[in-house]
Amino acid sequence: IAGITQAPTSQILAAGRRMTLRCTQDMRHNAMYWYRQDLGLGLRLIHYSNTAGTTGKGEVPDGYSVSRANTDDFPLTLASAVPSQTSVYFCASSSQGDTDTQYFGPGTRLTVL
Amino acid sequence: GQNIDQPTEMTATEGAIVQINCTYQTSGFNGLFWYQQHAGEAPTFLSYNVLDGLEEKGRFSSFLSRSKGYSYLLLKELQMKDSASYLCAVTNSNYQLIWGAGTKLIIKP
Repeated sequence: IAGITQAPTSQILAAGRRMTLRCTQDMRHNAMYWYRQDLGLGLRLIHYSNTAGTTGKGEVPDGYSVSRANTDDFPLTLASAVPSQTSVYFCASSSQGDTDTQYFGPGTRLTVL
Repeated sequence: GQNIDQPTEMTATEGAIVQINCTYQTSGFNGLFWYQQHAGEAPTFLSYNVLDGLEEKGRFSSFLSRSKGYSYLLLKELQMKDSASYLCAVTNSNYQLIWGAGTKLIIKP
C-alpha cells in the first residue's frame, strides 16, 4: 500500500441499512479525517482523529460514527443510512493535525436510496 | 461565521495565464492551502502560505495578504490538463481547516 486507500470505491445502499466505509493509511500519520463533498459545497468535516485512541466531531457529525483503534485505520460507520447521506466521502491524513498538509484517499461514492 | 469565497467557474485559453481569487473570513488564521481536484478524483495539495507574499512553484504561484483576508492562485502557460477545480482552504485559530466550494477552471484550446 502507498498512501491512503478507501473501500469500497462506490456503493448503492438501501435507506435504513448500516454501512462502514473503510480507510487505511501507511504513512504513519497521526491525524486522520473524514469529509463529505456535495455539489456546490466545500468539503465538510464529519469526524477527525488527532491520534490513535482519540476522535472528535466535525461540522456535520450527525448520523456518523468513527473509531481509531490504531494509527493506520479510521473506519466511518453510518448506523442507519438516509438519502441525505448520498455523497462522495473522502478520508484524509496529516502528520501533525490541521497545521500540516492533508493527503486524501481516492474517495467512496455512496448512494442511499 | 466563517466563510471562504471563490468564483464558481472560470474559463481560460490554453497557453494563457489565469488568476483564481480567494477571500476569507475566519476566526483567526494559521495558514492557507490551495488544492487541485480533477473531476472524479481526490484533492491533491498544490501550495501552502502562512506569511504574506508570493510563493512560486513552477507554473503555479500563490499569493497571500493576511491583512486583506485574500489569496490568489496564479497559473501560467495553461495546459489542457489544468482543467480542474481549485480549492482554497484556511486553518483557523482552532486549527480547523475551513474549505471553500472550489473554482471550476475550464481550459479551451
